Amino acid sequence: DAGVTQSPTHLIKTRGQHVTLRCSPISGHKSVSWYQQVLGQGPQFIFQYYEKEERGRGNFPDRFSARQFPNYSSELNVNALLLGDSALYLCASSTGQGITGELFFGEGSRLTVL
Amino acid sequence: DQQVKQNSPSLSVQEGRISILNCDYTNSMFDYFLWYKKYPAEGPTFLISISSIKDKNEDGRFTVFLNKSAKHLSLHIVPSQPGDSAVYFCAASVGSAGNNRKLIWGLGTSLAVNP
Repeated sequence: DAGVTQSPTHLIKTRGQHVTLRCSPISGHKSVSWYQQVLGQGPQFIFQYYEKEERGRGNFPDRFSARQFPNYSSELNVNALLLGDSALYLCASSTGQGITGELFFGEGSRLTVL
Repeated sequence: DQQVKQNSPSLSVQEGRISILNCDYTNSMFDYFLWYKKYPAEGPTFLISISSIKDKNEDGRFTVFLNKSAKHLSLHIVPSQPGDSAVYFCAASVGSAGNNRKLIWGLGTSLAVNP
């Protein structure tokens, strides 16, 4: 079975540009979460989507947005990129059921903003 | 404000010995705690979890202990193997339901198991 897949794996942008990151969850998983991991830090929660609806939002500016599609894949969009947006962006999927919070992560998209 | 704290950025142990990774938290609303392992250039991989109503959970070489009164948990790896060398993240789960949950992460502890 395929795990969580993310694309692109690496990308370089310049300040002020826009970026779209994509994620396909594990088959059967209806919940997708996005996390940002800056070097030397733990992942920081950005969004959770379940059944195409936003269920949670972390402390990130409105430049960050996301959506989930009918097939449960998801996009994370970041506008007006800043140098500080350089990070590994992790997508995680889960069934959305139960309460353990266990997430299955993709390998991440490493964004470098110059 | 770091709600989940891993105060040791790194740990080095000999192969075959016990590795103990520690984690402290401040929010008493956390109801599940999870440990993830992360290799370079890979996403975190779930290792083991524990509910706040338990004080111990064991899975093979991995055991997690929870001390709620001290708001402290630890991951024990026995015996440690070189393949265990990775960054270990402690995470706490909070939310009202499975479709509205987020993980709060510590900064990670880099474990090196020396042959």
